[in-house]
Amino acid sequence: DTEVTQTPKHLVMGMTNKKSLKCEQHMGHRAMYWYKQKAKKPPELMFVYSYEKLSINESVPSRFSPECPNSSLLNLHLHALQPEDSALYLCASSQETGKQHFGDGTRLSIL
Amino acid sequence: GESVGLHLPTLSVQEGDNSIINCAYSNSASDYFIWYKQESGKGPQFIIDIRSNMDKRQGQRVTVLLNKTVKHLSLQIAATQPGDSAVYFCAEKKGNTPLVFGKGTRLSVIA
Repeated sequence: DTEVTQTPKHLVMGMTNKKSLKCEQHMGHRAMYWYKQKAKKPPELMFVYSYEKLSINESVPSRFSPECPNSSLLNLHLHALQPEDSALYLCASSQETGKQHFGDGTRLSIL
Repeated sequence: GESVGLHLPTLSVQEGDNSIINCAYSNSASDYFIWYKQESGKGPQFIIDIRSNMDKRQGQRVTVLLNKTVKHLSLQIAATQPGDSAVYFCAEKKGNTPLVFGKGTRLSVIA
């Protein structure tokens, strides 16, 4: 079991749907991350939150909208996604420096 | 093996042998390095880390070596077991900047 919990584990959605991915950690970490991972590729950074404020947006399309309601929770709101957005979406958390702890991801399929 | 197109480099080892996975990192100013293991259907799992003021660090059955002169990182796994079969990623960072992941190597353990 990981210390970073992601839900749902799998999600299938149409291009017109709106859905949200959720991530939770209770390690007291103040930095939280969203990554996108395609098959046979390393994780690609999407967003970084530091102390509940968005600190990095790696030029992610606006159809992905992150939200950090509190220091333990991180959401990724999805709307009007494209088939090429199908991927594994990983959440991670860390102290300000040092190792990131990853969840097991949400496998997203866009029809 | 060598990485060509979409294929991950693959290392095949006999059970019980030692494995060495190599990584060339890109930023000579990076001061922190991590190795992650990713099994199928799971998120990256922390294995071992090392700071740039060290050149070797040992864990349980694993050793990380850092050669800053040639920007090379390696992960040695002693007495490789079937449960070690996974994709291994190196990652680097400088200060508070996000992790940058390497391409990954698939380790296959032959029983």
